[in-house]
Amino acid sequence: GEDVEQSLFLSVREGDSSVINCTYTDSSSTYLYWYKQEPGAGLQLLTYIFSNMDMKQDQRLTVLLNKKDKHLSLRIADTQTGDSAIYFCAETGGYNKLIFGAGTRLAVHP
Amino acid sequence: EPEVTQTPSHQVTQMGQEVILRCVPISNHLYFYWYRQILGQKVEFLVSFYNNEISEKSEIFDDQFSVERPDGSNFTLKIRSTKLEDSAMYFCASSDKPGTSGYNEQFFGPGTRLTVL
Repeated sequence: GEDVEQSLFLSVREGDSSVINCTYTDSSSTYLYWYKQEPGAGLQLLTYIFSNMDMKQDQRLTVLLNKKDKHLSLRIADTQTGDSAIYFCAETGGYNKLIFGAGTRLAVHP
Repeated sequence: EPEVTQTPSHQVTQMGQEVILRCVPISNHLYFYWYRQILGQKVEFLVSFYNNEISEKSEIFDDQFSVERPDGSNFTLKIRSTKLEDSAMYFCASSDKPGTSGYNEQFFGPGTRLTVL
């Protein structure tokens, strides 16, 4: 069945790059997403990638997709304290739903 | 900027009681969703709703659960007889288009934390 896995915790120093990894199982997923959740807030769409792409860059964010290995990563360059949040990887599960991972908590320290 | 709102932010209830979680989706959206996240686990899809009907539901969404759009602005999730294992964060989401082409940007509310004692 559909499943998304990601590591639960990542700690980085301010100014370094963060790389959050995710694996998924549904090879028919046409879009893959990264959502961000800040404390007390809902999940906010950060970026997405279409499955026929292998890379997408948006300012400090770079999404890499390896379809063969069903591996998705989110790189945040020059990580700031404001980037501290939980990051969720998600794939489209059929017509309506999103299939999420458990979320990676990113902690940025000085 | 329009946003999805949810009330209450935290609900505490006794096992066996009924609870209603409320959501106000973004006003021009037509597709509505409920998800839940048990502490430390994945965000799980519960149900999607369009045109006053359930479009899709997961195995979790059994007869104890129901959804309703009572008045054109609210979207509610009712749990008839809560169990301890229903304790979770419940997220409401809405979108203005279905995922027919695969792209499905859903806008999420901040969640309601349900604690069943």
